[in-house]
Amino acid sequence: DAKTTQPPSMDCAEGRAANLPCNHSTISGNEYVYWYRQIHSQGPQYIIHGLKNNETNEMASLIITEDRKSSTLILPHATLRDTAVYYCIVSPDSNYQLIWGAGTKLIIKP
Amino acid sequence: AAGVIQSPRHLIKEKRETATLKCYPIPRHDTVYWYQQGPGQDPQFLISFYEKMQSDKGSIPDRFSAQQFSDYHSELNMSSLELGDSALYFCASSTGSSQPQHFGDGTRLSIL
Repeated sequence: DAKTTQPPSMDCAEGRAANLPCNHSTISGNEYVYWYRQIHSQGPQYIIHGLKNNETNEMASLIITEDRKSSTLILPHATLRDTAVYYCIVSPDSNYQLIWGAGTKLIIKP
Repeated sequence: AAGVIQSPRHLIKEKRETATLKCYPIPRHDTVYWYQQGPGQDPQFLISFYEKMQSDKGSIPDRFSAQQFSDYHSELNMSSLELGDSALYFCASSTGSSQPQHFGDGTRLSIL
């Protein structure tokens, strides 16, 4: 079973920041938090990952709470092309299977 | 940048036939993963290989087998196909050591 809990769906206005929460209260000390998204039946796309510290790349920012029991993915300026299912996954490292939960269906509205 | 290449993109088979799906990882990636995604479902892990050896096994049916070759490409062999095998099959690759998995565009397998 997935070790994460995400809201099933969210809306966000185009141009605004999209903040996607994820709970992972049973995360272990050696487990990373990975975020992927899947745009309608395409291959899942890697977004960002982190262990303890906040991370930022060209796509998004990842904020991990100090106790590591939850995190938030931030898309700073959402566009219509960001409409997708977003998955938060915890895993020891990438040489382990990714266990996918239901994810959050993010809909960006004009 | 080079991505994971999967072939074929689409495949139609009949029940009890066999199928072979191929995956070419990103250059210098030594680990390959296979996932199955049924209609309206989330991806399910099937099997993975690291340096040509099986590294992890998930919900892969006994009718399926896979291997990784010396050039690091991988093949998923499926026999005695059933209607329930109709799904998207994704391959991913990584360099390991906390590096993320990168996915191909998948093979859509339809069983008639």
